[in-house]
Amino acid sequence: DQQVKQNSPSLSVQEGRISILNCDYTNSMFDYFLWYKKYPAEGPTFLISISSIKDKNEDGRFTVFLNKSAKHLSLHIVPSQPGDSAVYFCAASAYTGTASKLTFGTGTRLQVTL
Amino acid sequence: ETGVTQTPRHLVMGMTNKKSLKCEQHLGHNAMYWYKQSAKKPLELMFVYSLEERVENNSVPSRFSPECPNSSHLFLHLHTLQPEDSALYLCASSQTLTDLYGYTFGSGTRLTVV
Repeated sequence: DQQVKQNSPSLSVQEGRISILNCDYTNSMFDYFLWYKKYPAEGPTFLISISSIKDKNEDGRFTVFLNKSAKHLSLHIVPSQPGDSAVYFCAASAYTGTASKLTFGTGTRLQVTL
Repeated sequence: ETGVTQTPRHLVMGMTNKKSLKCEQHLGHNAMYWYKQSAKKPLELMFVYSLEERVENNSVPSRFSPECPNSSHLFLHLHTLQPEDSALYLCASSQTLTDLYGYTFGSGTRLTVV
């Protein structure tokens, strides 16, 4: 059973508009949430994160919102640019006693069109 | 070279072959990881090493055998694989087992088992 779900496999957005990528989770023990971006033929790279004690974190064009009661987080990109076209992975972290273990979603492919 | 380097980038092997995937990091990190990404599935954590000691083995079949000879190198030895083992294998490293933000991925090895 997937503990982190990204239900939209793909999303297409026009340049300059807002991109909203969604992620749902089931494990209430997750304490950090992260978004990774992956270009073809490259490994995922860290984009932005949020602690479970916050409900919003902003970094330039990227904002992540966390709704703990709904076990839902979203990544907003505004304005969207063609270079944002990539696969975005949502990940959640829980401390196991020895390590912070990351659980990933299946990813959402974002296509920003001109 | 900097970052996390994985070789080979692509590998095609028969079910009776023995091959090895290599990962090298030049970041001075103490923790290294193997992940598997199958089509339409989330990244799955396979193995975790800290200071060359395996700290986690996520119920991975014995046909996958990891080796960490030092903190900069990580191998995944493969033997008698099945076609369903075809996937993208990603290596990652972090400064410590609890360092989420410095998690650095390699570009991956695309493995096809025929």
